[in-house]
Amino acid sequence: NAGVMQNPRHLVRRRGQEARLRCSPMKGHSHVYWYRQLPEEGLKFMVYLQKENIIDESGMPKERFSAEFPKEGPSILRIQQVVRGDSAAYFCASSPTNWGQGAGQPQHFGDGTRLSIL
Amino acid sequence: GQQLNQSPQSMFIQEGEDVSMNCTSSSIFNTWLWYKQDPGEGPVLLIALYKAGELTSNGRLTAQFGITRKDSFLNISASIPSDVGIYFCAGPTSGTYKYIFGTGTRLKVLA
Repeated sequence: NAGVMQNPRHLVRRRGQEARLRCSPMKGHSHVYWYRQLPEEGLKFMVYLQKENIIDESGMPKERFSAEFPKEGPSILRIQQVVRGDSAAYFCASSPTNWGQGAGQPQHFGDGTRLSIL
Repeated sequence: GQQLNQSPQSMFIQEGEDVSMNCTSSSIFNTWLWYKQDPGEGPVLLIALYKAGELTSNGRLTAQFGITRKDSFLNISASIPSDVGIYFCAGPTSGTYKYIFGTGTRLKVLA
C-alpha cells in the first residue's frame, strides 16, 4: 500500500468542524477514487477524479462533501460541518493513466484516514 | 442495484488447512478482483481476473472467474497465521470504474 499515500492516518474533529483528507496517488497514476468504509462493511464508492476534473461524484453526499484533484499536489476530500455520522475510514485509490477507460484496471488503495467525530 | 454477496461471512480454520470462499452477484461482471484487508490498513490487491473461466494463481492463492460471469472463487492452500484478515471481492459496475465491494469474508487461522 506504500504507493498510495494518505494523510493523516487518524483525524479527530468535533461536530461542526471541517475535515480535510489528503491523497497522493501512485507515481504515474492520474485517476483517483475515494471510498468510505463503515465498521464491518465493505468500501462504498464516493467520487472519481482526474487531474483538475471531477468525473463522477454520484456516491458523495450532496451537502458538506467536496473533492478536488488539482494540477499540482494531492487530491483532497473535504467534509464541512462534520457530524457524528461522518465517522468512518476514508480510502483513496488510484489507477494507471494509460489503461483505456480504466474500468478493468485494478485500483490500488492507500491505508486510509480514520475520521472520528466527537 | 448490483450487489456482491460473499460466503462464508467468517471462518475459523486450523493452520495448514485449505480455505475456499466465494462471491456471487445477480448481475454480470466483466472483471473480478480479490483484495485482502488487514486491521487498520487499506485493501491490498491479491488477484485480478478479466475473462470468464480464467483461473489465476498468486503463490498459495488461486482465484477463478466463473463462466456465468456472476461469481468468483478464491482458494488459499496451506493457510498460515498471516492469512488472517478480511477478504473482499470487488468489481467495476457495468461499463464503469466504480468498484462494488462484497460483504467480506473474515478469516481467522488457529495455530
